[in-house]
Amino acid sequence: DAGVTQSPTHLIKTRGQQVTLRCSPKSGHDTVSWYQQALGQGPQFIFQYYEEEERQRGNFPDRFSGHQFPNYSSELNVNALLLGDSALYLCASSLQGPTDTQYFGPGTRLTVL
Amino acid sequence: AQSVTQPDIHITVSEGASLELRCNYSYGATPYLFWYVQSPGQGLQLLLKYFSGDTLVQGIKGFEAEFKRSQSSFNLRKPSVHWSDAAEYFCAVGGNFGNEKLTFGTGTRLTIIP
Repeated sequence: DAGVTQSPTHLIKTRGQQVTLRCSPKSGHDTVSWYQQALGQGPQFIFQYYEEEERQRGNFPDRFSGHQFPNYSSELNVNALLLGDSALYLCASSLQGPTDTQYFGPGTRLTVL
Repeated sequence: AQSVTQPDIHITVSEGASLELRCNYSYGATPYLFWYVQSPGQGLQLLLKYFSGDTLVQGIKGFEAEFKRSQSSFNLRKPSVHWSDAAEYFCAVGGNFGNEKLTFGTGTRLTIIP
């Protein structure tokens, strides 16, 4: 049973560029959440997708956007990259039940130069 | 707003010694609480979770945690640590449901010495 997978593993971009990160949820899961983890910090919630719609959003600017596809996979897009966007981006998947748990992927390390 | 405080940034223990990592949360209702572990350069692995019921919960790798509502705490314990337990540990609180937005603490880095 495959867990949560993310691609790419590492990514280097320059300021002002745009980036797309991808996530495939754990088999059977229908909900995907994205988190940003800056160096030395705990993960911070960006947003969550369910039924191809953004269900919840954290305190992130509109430069951060996402998408969920019919097969439940998801993309995170970041426009106009800033140096401060350098971080580990984590994807988590879950079901929609109240006692369901989020399972995390290995993350994508984004470096903005 | 929900929040989590992990007061210990870094803890060092000897292999075979007992361990307790502290976590305090702020949440208006009955919280959903989690402990995750992160090895260097890796994602997060769930150790255990508390939703309701018995306040002492057992997790993987011999870890347990106790929910104390009066102290707003959810401390993680292990009776005897192994060198492989060296990692970063994160406490998190969920929203109305366990699968909603998680708010994490800043983490505690655990170092094991021989």
